Amino acid sequence: RKEVEQDPGPFNVPEGATVAFNCTYSNSASQSFFWYRQDCRKEPKLLMSVYSSGNEDGRFTAQLNRASQYISLLIRDSKLSDSATYLCVVNGASGGSYIPTFGRGTSLIVHP
Amino acid sequence: NAGVTQTPKFQVLKTGQSMTLQCAQDMNHNSMYWYRQDPGMGLRLIYYSASEGTTDKGEVPNGYNVSRLNKREFSLRLESAAPSQTSVYFCASSGDRGTRGSPLHFGNGTRLTVT
Repeated sequence: RKEVEQDPGPFNVPEGATVAFNCTYSNSASQSFFWYRQDCRKEPKLLMSVYSSGNEDGRFTAQLNRASQYISLLIRDSKLSDSATYLCVVNGASGGSYIPTFGRGTSLIVHP
Repeated sequence: NAGVTQTPKFQVLKTGQSMTLQCAQDMNHNSMYWYRQDPGMGLRLIYYSASEGTTDKGEVPNGYNVSRLNKREFSLRLESAAPSQTSVYFCASSGDRGTRGSPLHFGNGTRLTVT
């Protein structure tokens, strides 16, 4: 079983829609969690960190469920510019360091 | 403030040739990483360096070597390139060692083709 799993999609939604992605992780000792956005094989860019209490940044809301070992990303009022691949990243401990492990990404296509 | 700088941006090698991918960061980060990204595979960790003077294998280290030259620079070397190493390579850095909440900062990537 891969350490970090995501539904690859694509999720094809109209402008204005609300869409949610989940990401599951296998290491219960994982310490920190992030969502990144990647456009057309460019470098990934940090979208938001995920905190235990949940956090919101404009149209984006991230949640962490430690009991069920998943994180989620909710995008409200989707824009055409939200079309991208969304990568889930989980930091797990390894010999005193924290190693970021990526999911394979979820593709989002927002159409007019 | 350039962040993370990778060179070259593109490279074509013949099987058996060697090359070094260079990476430098100016954010005073302790940790640096090399990832490769292949279609449908996501980013996979090749090697990482938690601090100057240390390096460790990641998920897919075979065929690669690394050098943490100083705090700023972390290079990736392919000694004898193989077609299976055709990929996009990303260097990244993150904040203090052991800071569990530090996100990654990426370079622009190197697109490598091995024929």
